[in-house]
Parts: sequence; structure tokens; C-alpha cells
Amino acid sequence: NAGVTQTPKFQVLKTGQSMTLQCAQDMNHEYMSWYRQDPGMGLRLIHYSVGAGITDQGEVPNGYNVSRSTTEDFPLRLLSAAPSQTSVYFCASSYSFGVDTQYFGPGTRLTVL
Amino acid sequence: GNSVTQMEGPVTLSEEAFLTINCTYTATGYPSLFWYVQYPGEGLQLLLKATKADDKGSNKGFEATYRKETTSFHLEKGSVQVSDSAVYFCAQMIKAAGNKLTFGGGTRVLVKP
Repeated sequence: NAGVTQTPKFQVLKTGQSMTLQCAQDMNHEYMSWYRQDPGMGLRLIHYSVGAGITDQGEVPNGYNVSRSTTEDFPLRLLSAAPSQTSVYFCASSYSFGVDTQYFGPGTRLTVL
Repeated sequence: GNSVTQMEGPVTLSEEAFLTINCTYTATGYPSLFWYVQYPGEGLQLLLKATKADDKGSNKGFEATYRKETTSFHLEKGSVQVSDSAVYFCAQMIKAAGNKLTFGGGTRVLVKP
């Protein structure tokens, strides 16, 4: 199993540009989520999904969109990038929406100029 | 609200020293508690967890005990190695709060030979 994969690893955007961060898992996990990691703030939940076709907002959803058309994929879209979205983004998945081990991808480092 | 507070780093130690990282939580329900570790350039990995009061999680020589009376989940290791250099995150998950993980700010640990 490849586990949780994320692309790209690094990205530089200009303010106002849009892009999609890709996340895929091959473990048949129902639950997937996106976090952003900022210095001294730990990880904060952006959006999550408890299964294909179901998404919900986390702690910091503004400026981001998600969709879950398949069990495997959970892309994160930045609609109009802002410097405040400069961060490291992690995708995670787990077998179910409960007290289960979450598996994290390697992260995408995004810089918005 | 629900939150996790952990000691700020960086923590610098010599090899074979004793490591303690403090973590306290506030929760409206009864959380499950986790320690995640992030090695340089990688995503987070679950290190250990405890799901109820007085439970002890352990893995790779690390231990943490769920203390309800002090709302704490301190991480300890008796003899650290250079390979333990990483960022450690304490986290909680509350069923009543939708089973979402809430992270502390992370503690960077540097072990010198």
C-alpha cells in the first residue's frame, strides 16, 4: 500500500491564483481530512469527509473547498490564494469516523506571494 | 472550549537523558488522548494513545498516562536517542465534538550525541 499520498510537495502561488492540492489513499478508508500546520499552532482542521459524497467544515474552512466523489480521493481547492494561506497542508485518513488511528500524508508546503 | 496545551520548545537534550513533554487538555466531554510524532520532512505518525482515565499508552520506549484528575497526558521517555529528534504533538478527540482531532502547538525535541 502507498498509504496517503499528496501532490505537489511544494507550490508557490501569487495572490489571487487558484489551485488544487491532491490527496489520495489506497487503504479503503472512509474518513479523510485536511489540516494546515502553522508554527506554534499545531494542526488545524480545514475540512473533513466521513464518506464519498459527504463533506463538512472544520475549524478554519474559509477560502477552501473540498469534494469527495470517490472513497480514494479528497482534493482541496484554494479558490483565490491569499498570503494568509501560506502553510503546510496535511491530508489524513482513517478507517472510520471514530477513535481510530489517523494516517497522515507527507504534506504540501504552499507559499503565497 | 476544547483545547490542548503543551510545553513550548525547543527542548534540547543529550543522548540517554530523560525526556518529559507536558500536555494538558480542556474538554467538555471525555476525550481520547494521543501523541503524534513528526520526523523531519515527514507527516505525522501516531506514537501512542489512551482512550480512558488511568490508561497508559506506550510505544518505542515512550509512555503517557491519562490523568483525569489533573487533565494531563504527559509524554515521557527514560533514555532518548538522537533518532528521537522530532516534533511531538499532543491531541484529543471528543466523541461529543464530532470525533475531530484537536492538536496542541507541538514541541520540538533535539537530541544531541
